[in-house]
Amino acid sequence: NAGVTQTPKFRILKIGQSMTLQCTQDMNHNYMYWYRQDPGMGLKLIYYSVGAGITDKGEVPNGYNVSRSTTEDFPLRLELAAPSQTSVYFCATDGTLGGAFFGQGTRLTVV
Amino acid sequence: KQEVTQIPAALSVPEGENLVLNCSFTDSAIYNLQWFRQDPGKGLTSLLLIQSSQREQTSGRLNASLDKSSGRSTLYIAASQPGDSATYLCAVKTGGGNKLTFGTGTQLKVEL
Repeated sequence: NAGVTQTPKFRILKIGQSMTLQCTQDMNHNYMYWYRQDPGMGLKLIYYSVGAGITDKGEVPNGYNVSRSTTEDFPLRLELAAPSQTSVYFCATDGTLGGAFFGQGTRLTVV
Repeated sequence: KQEVTQIPAALSVPEGENLVLNCSFTDSAIYNLQWFRQDPGKGLTSLLLIQSSQREQTSGRLNASLDKSSGRSTLYIAASQPGDSATYLCAVKTGGGNKLTFGTGTQLKVEL
């Protein structure tokens, strides 16, 4: 009963490096989301997807990219990492009537 | 643009007290409202989900109400325990991708 799985749990990047945050779900949900959470702030939506092959920008998409080739996977790509991208990243799915389910998060530090 | 506010930002209570956390939102055209709990360094755990047609939901010592017309929800915690210490987040779902908009949370500390 995995639910939403994110990898890695922690990562330190140097400025200018790139990386992909992985998210996979086994609940067959169409809707998937990426949020970032900064200290003392609520969660901000980065990108979301309403199904395989369809993605759209959220509130804070700059510096990120996503793809959704399958229902299960929704990776988040960081290009040219900047200190402002230091944050905790959460992937979530939505079962519509069942509400949202979250992964355990990826804590990213850019130095 | 939907905005969600949670009051108070932080709350400290002695064990055994009943308490109320507040959540307000600006756009009443929501699909549902969800309350989450977040422990330090952890992910979000769903506590209660209230559909837009519902007035309240209960789970154990937790009761959440929804007044969509006034843009308010409350989370009532009965007989608080130290294990209830966490940050509580509310989020509303609106159309166009079923996006969730989050409040900034209430940090609760229940002391012995």
